[in-house]
Amino acid sequence: SQQGEEDPQALSIQEGENATMNCSYKTSINNLQWYRQNSGRGLVHLILIRSNEREKHSGRLRVTLDTSKKSSSLLITASRAADTASYFCATATAYNTDKLIFGTGTRLQVFP
Amino acid sequence: ETGVTQSPTHLIKTRGQQVTLRCSSQSGHNTVSWYQQALGQGPQFIFQYYREEENGRGNFPPRFSGLQFPNYSSELNVNALELDDSALYLCASSRGAGAQETQYFGPGTRLLVL
Repeated sequence: SQQGEEDPQALSIQEGENATMNCSYKTSINNLQWYRQNSGRGLVHLILIRSNEREKHSGRLRVTLDTSKKSSSLLITASRAADTASYFCATATAYNTDKLIFGTGTRLQVFP
Repeated sequence: ETGVTQSPTHLIKTRGQQVTLRCSSQSGHNTVSWYQQALGQGPQFIFQYYREEENGRGNFPPRFSGLQFPNYSSELNVNALELDDSALYLCASSRGAGAQETQYFGPGTRLLVL
């Protein structure tokens, strides 16, 4: 079953611009995690945000979480061509604590 | 680099055959989770092993089975392969059971079933 849905499905921007990706989910969560995947390879962990947190930063990444709206956003500032990848949100729900449930991802293309 | 390794990187099998995929977890991690990712989709949880015991299972049939060894490495076995089993298989290791901590993924094994 799908818990998270990313929006948009695809995003194309120029280097230096900011990229914002959104994730909505359906049931209560313990945490939400963002991952990056390059060309169908392994997933790289970006940020984990817990249900009692509202915002986290890591370098050029900023993640927000709004549990009342069941949504999260990932902002990449000053994007680079190397940021081109698919980005997934994954939730650890309060009811199925053993697994991450992934969305379908946002494909980001950053043009030099 | 996460320190999680998977083998083989690619595999071609025919329908009805059996396959074993392997995963070595990151040092200090006692939990391994397996995911299946079909083309253009997000990963789907298959099952998780914590200290050599299955600790949760997704919506996959019994022909998907696993094992975790005392060194916390793990195997995923798939019997009676079907065409729809063609996918990228990812393993992830973490420090504790469940999904409450960061999961570190390996590079994956791409399986093609003909």
